[in-house]
Amino acid sequence: DAGVTQSPTHLIKTRGQQVTLRCSPKSGHDTVSWYQQALGQGPQFIFQYYEEEERQRGNFPDRFSGHQFPNYSSELNVNALLLGDSALYLCASSLFTGGIAKNIQYFGAGTRLSVL
Amino acid sequence: AQSVTQPDIHITVSEGASLELRCNYSYGATPYLFWYVQSPGQGLQLLLKYFSGDTLVQGIKGFEAEFKRSQSSFNLRKPSVHWSDAAEYFCAVVPLMNYGGATNKLIFGTGTLLAVQP
Repeated sequence: DAGVTQSPTHLIKTRGQQVTLRCSPKSGHDTVSWYQQALGQGPQFIFQYYEEEERQRGNFPDRFSGHQFPNYSSELNVNALLLGDSALYLCASSLFTGGIAKNIQYFGAGTRLSVL
Repeated sequence: AQSVTQPDIHITVSEGASLELRCNYSYGATPYLFWYVQSPGQGLQLLLKYFSGDTLVQGIKGFEAEFKRSQSSFNLRKPSVHWSDAAEYFCAVVPLMNYGGATNKLIFGTGTLLAVQP
């Protein structure tokens, strides 16, 4: 049973460029969340997708956008990259239930983005 | 302000010694509580969770945590640490809304880096 997979594992971009990160959820999961983890910090919530719609968003600018596909996989897009966007980007998947706050989020190993 | 605090940035313990990692939260209603562990190059792995009920919860790898409402704390413990426990540990919450609903996001502390001496 495959867990949450993310690609690529590492990425180097320059300021002003655009980047797309990909996530495949754990088998049987239908909800994907994205987090940004800066060096020495805890992960920060970017947004969550369910039924191909953004359901909740954290305090991130519109340069951060996402998409969920019918097979539940997801992409995170960041436009106009800044040096401060350098971080580990984590994807987490979960299964929607009625008590959604209790749905356990399973994390991938992340994509390390370096912006030069 | 609403927050999750892990006061210890770095802890070193000897192998076989006991461990306690501290976590405090500041929210109006008791949130759902979690501990995750992150090894180098790995994603976050859930150790244990607390939603309600028994305040002492058991997790994987021999870890346990105790919820103390009066102290707004959810400290992680292990009676005997193994070298493989060296990693970064994150406390996280899912805040509950005033109307009784819940958000969908995990709010993390800044983490505690655990080193284990032989």
